[in-house]
Amino acid sequence: KAGVTQTPRYLIKTRGQQVTLSCSPISGHRSVSWYQQTPGQGLQFLFEYFSETQRNKGNFPGRFSGRQFSNSRSEMNVSTLELGDSALYLCASSFQGAAPEAFFGQGTRLTVV
Amino acid sequence: DQQVKQNSPSLSVQEGRISILNCDYTNSMFDYFLWYKKYPAEGPTFLISISSIKDKNEDGRFTVFLNKSAKHLSLHIVPSQPGDSAVYFCAASGPWATGANNLFFGTGTRLTVIP
Repeated sequence: KAGVTQTPRYLIKTRGQQVTLSCSPISGHRSVSWYQQTPGQGLQFLFEYFSETQRNKGNFPGRFSGRQFSNSRSEMNVSTLELGDSALYLCASSFQGAAPEAFFGQGTRLTVV
Repeated sequence: DQQVKQNSPSLSVQEGRISILNCDYTNSMFDYFLWYKKYPAEGPTFLISISSIKDKNEDGRFTVFLNKSAKHLSLHIVPSQPGDSAVYFCAASGPWATGANNLFFGTGTRLTVIP
């Protein structure tokens, strides 16, 4: 069974640009959550999508957005990039109704210069 | 506001001995706790979890203890093996969660097991 796949693995962008990250969840998983990992802050919840709807949202500015497609694949978009957006972005999928164990992808390392 | 805290950024343990990783939380509404292990260049991997109705959960060499009154949990690894060397994250969830959304993570503890 394939795991959670995130693309691209690495990305370098310039301040002010926008970026789109992609996540393909485990087959059969309908919930996709996004997390940002930075040194000293641990993992912070961005948002969760289930059945193409945003179901939960963390405390991040509106520059961070996402969507989910009918096949459960999800994309995350960050507009007007800032240096502080440099981080590892992790996607996690889970099976609706189960305990909240999440299966994470390898992440996308975003560097903003 | 860090609701889940791991106050030890690093821990070194001799192979074969016990590793104890600690985690504290502030939100009394948390009712489910998880530990994840993370190797470099990989995403976190689920290790073990515990519901607030229990005070202990075991899975092989890994045991998680929960002390609700102290808002404290710990992960014990016995015996520790070099392959256990990784960063360990504590996470918490509440009754508002459906699935793995809005997990609150600690900042991680880097465990090094010395052969």
